Amino acid sequence: QKEVEQDPGPLSVPEGAIVSLNCTYSNSAFQYFMWYRQYSRKGPELLMYTYSSGNKEDGRFTAQVDKSSKYISLFIRDSQPSDSATYLCAMKGSGGSYIPTFGRGTSLIVHP
Amino acid sequence: DGGITQSPKYLFRKEGQNVTLSCEQNLNHDAMYWYRQDPGQGLRLIYYSQIVNDFQKGDIAEGYSVSREKKESFPLTVTSAQKNPTAFYLCASSMALDLSYEQYFGPGTRLTVT
Repeated sequence: QKEVEQDPGPLSVPEGAIVSLNCTYSNSAFQYFMWYRQYSRKGPELLMYTYSSGNKEDGRFTAQVDKSSKYISLFIRDSQPSDSATYLCAMKGSGGSYIPTFGRGTSLIVHP
Repeated sequence: DGGITQSPKYLFRKEGQNVTLSCEQNLNHDAMYWYRQDPGQGLRLIYYSQIVNDFQKGDIAEGYSVSREKKESFPLTVTSAQKNPTAFYLCASSMALDLSYEQYFGPGTRLTVT
């Protein structure tokens, strides 16, 4: 079992939909959680980061962490075609290691 | 503008040749990293460096080498010993190798070896 599991998709939604992207993890020592967005043939761009369980909101994006279930989510409201990209979750803090562990990424397609 | 630059964007080499990928940052970050990304595989860590003149192997260091002579620069050499070098290579940096510091990525270099 990989430490971080992420469904590769693709996830195809109509413009305006609420998108839910998810990752599960097996190591309860992870403390710090991040979401990156990666457009095709570009480097990943940091979207959001959070320490704690609960929700963190930034514009149309909400990051949610449930440490008891070892589950994190990224919600995108009012999705736009420009949101079409691959979304990578990452987490760190396991056993004093501060190198992030990345999920494989979920490909999102928002069609007009 | 502060950021990370990688050059070139596309690189083509013949099998058996060593090739060096450039990574420069002007963010004043201490830590730098090299990742390899293959379709459907996510990011795999090749090498990382916490400070000048120090670096550590990541999960897939075989066939690669790095140097860190300057804070701003962390070049990666793909040697002929690397069995499957064709991939998308990403350089990243962070303020430090610590829990609360996020990684920022460069635009990547796509290497094709034939």
